[in-house]
Formats: sequence, C-alpha cells, structure tokens
Amino acid sequence: DAKTTQPTSMDCAEGRAANLPCNHSTISGNEYVYWYRQIHSQGPQYIIHGLKNNETNEMASLIITEDRKSSTLILPHATLRDTAVYYCIVKTGANNLFFGTGTRLTVIP
Amino acid sequence: ETGVTQTPRHLVMGMTNKKSLKCEQHLGHNAMYWYKQSAKKPLELMFVYNFKEQTENNSVPSRFSPECPNSSHLFLHLHTLQPEDSALYLCASSHTGERPLHFGNGTRLTVT
Repeated sequence: DAKTTQPTSMDCAEGRAANLPCNHSTISGNEYVYWYRQIHSQGPQYIIHGLKNNETNEMASLIITEDRKSSTLILPHATLRDTAVYYCIVKTGANNLFFGTGTRLTVIP
Repeated sequence: ETGVTQTPRHLVMGMTNKKSLKCEQHLGHNAMYWYKQSAKKPLELMFVYNFKEQTENNSVPSRFSPECPNSSHLFLHLHTLQPEDSALYLCASSHTGERPLHFGNGTRLTVT
C-alpha cells in the first residue's frame, strides 16, 4: 500500500468548510483513496473513497488531483461533532487497511 | 450503532488469566478483521478472515489466538498477556473486494 502524508493537526471554525489534505505521491494506478475518521473512544468510521473521479456523499466530498498524487477531503459545514482524527489511506483490493497517524481536526465554536 | 458489536467494552485481566473478546456482525459481510490500537500509535492490523478462513496474520504473538466459527462471529482468545498488550482492540467487517470496513467501538483491554 502507498504511503500517505497528512498534517498532524488542523483547526476549523464551526460552520465553515474543513479541507483536509493528503499526499500520496507513490500511489499506483489501481489503488483507491479511502478516508476514515475516529472520534475519541470509538472505532474508525468510513467516510468516502475514490479512484480517479471526485466523489461526494452525504458526509463529505473527495477531490483527487488529476495525477492522483494528492487528494482533499472536504467537510462542507463543519460541526463540533466533526472533531476527530481523520485518516487518509490508499489501498488495492485486499481488505487490509494500514492506518497512519492521521490529522487531528478540531472544530472551534 | 455501527452494525458491528464488540463485547466486553472494557476488560481488566491479570497476566495469568485467559479471556476472550467477541465480535458480532449482522451486515452480511464475509470478511472480518482484528486491529490493535495502542496509545499514541496507529492502528495495527492483526488478523484477517475471509469466508471463515484466516488469510492474514500480521506477525502476531501466539498469546493472541483468533477464531472465526462463522461469517458473523469473530473471537480473540487471550492468554498469558503482557502489560504492553494493553490497548484498544477493534473488530471490523466488510464485503470482499473494494469495499469499506465497518468497525465496532472496540474493547479497551488493560493487562495488570
């Protein structure tokens, strides 16, 4: 699985968009980009995933650059409940995700 | 509610005890996983089961023994653990292929 690089921490004002970047410069053509988050004392929660095209669901949007070497997770209107550690993972079809240290997002009132 | 239930939520055990962690999912998934999350460390994959067969053992010590009797249930049997084994143990399940994992909320294990 390709290595990912994320900022250690970020702050975002409540109600504003939170943009979380991820670099995955060694990603290969068949590796998907996955985002999970982990709220304190809970298990990780799946957010979104994509291969080449931008994706959107009820939780977030995923923007993948054309060269696929980086991506951005967008939470359009951050709430206090979005405070969590966000993990960017790239993987192929085998279902063994390898988590890094993620980005600790703090949403500020 | 994630659809993946882990019991117990908290467990304290001595180094000579034997205990088991249980995971149950009724999401129709056919792959199940154990992860370990130690303080200040990333999640570590321990075991993977696909259709009840173990397909991944990530160099886990033999004092951790998984069991998958059917696609809905997964156990982690623990014996003669060390204090450094204290961690949050997370179970997950998924369909096979390029599908997301669904995690339980974990068992917080303390070894004294």
